[in-house]
Amino acid sequence: SAVISQKPSRDICQRGTSLTIQCQVDSQVTMMFWYRQQPGQSLTLIATANQGSEATYESGFVIDKFPISRPNLTFSTLTVSNMSPEDSSIYLCSVQNQANEKLFFGSGTQLSVL
Amino acid sequence: AQTVTQSQPEMSVQEAETVTLSCTYDTSESDYYLFWYKQPPSRQMILVIRQEAYKQQNATENRFSVNFQKAAKSFSLKISDSQLGDAAMYFCAYRSADGNEKLTFGTGTRLTIIP
Repeated sequence: SAVISQKPSRDICQRGTSLTIQCQVDSQVTMMFWYRQQPGQSLTLIATANQGSEATYESGFVIDKFPISRPNLTFSTLTVSNMSPEDSSIYLCSVQNQANEKLFFGSGTQLSVL
Repeated sequence: AQTVTQSQPEMSVQEAETVTLSCTYDTSESDYYLFWYKQPPSRQMILVIRQEAYKQQNATENRFSVNFQKAAKSFSLKISDSQLGDAAMYFCAYRSADGNEKLTFGTGTRLTIIP
């Protein structure tokens, strides 16, 4: 299985500020995924991050609000920009193990916006 | 678009007993993957079991097994000999086999284990 380190584990932020979440994997992976889990809800895919190209965003999510970087095959960041209380959620990164096609998740970032 | 439905928001089971969590899905595709993930209070999403749609045999992982009914588009999870550590949110998920790695999740079932 892939070992995924996600930082920070939690943060409390002020409205209007931005937070960058980091995701580090212990092996090279082609695609990394960013999910959002709003309070009491299921997971929703924000975007897919491929190394060397722009991220692909799902309907309802835009690059200006959730810019993503993917500088290499083991690392990605997700920024939540100009935050509002509605952005309070758990954000999770995920990677696929190429050998067995299983998806693994980081431990998530609990974001609270005041 | 694919949808995944979990009709049981909450379930409870006595320790050491067996419980079945329900999941149905809707798709027009013939080849895909189905998953059950467990999310304990630690927030970590843990893969419990995976099923390939082209395989008729139901997947099994120790105390966890599935009942995959492709025609009925049903994918239930059976947990045998329930343990206190099984308490968590359980999410059913769908992924296409067409190269799009996106997971579509159900709304989850909160499982409580009664000592």
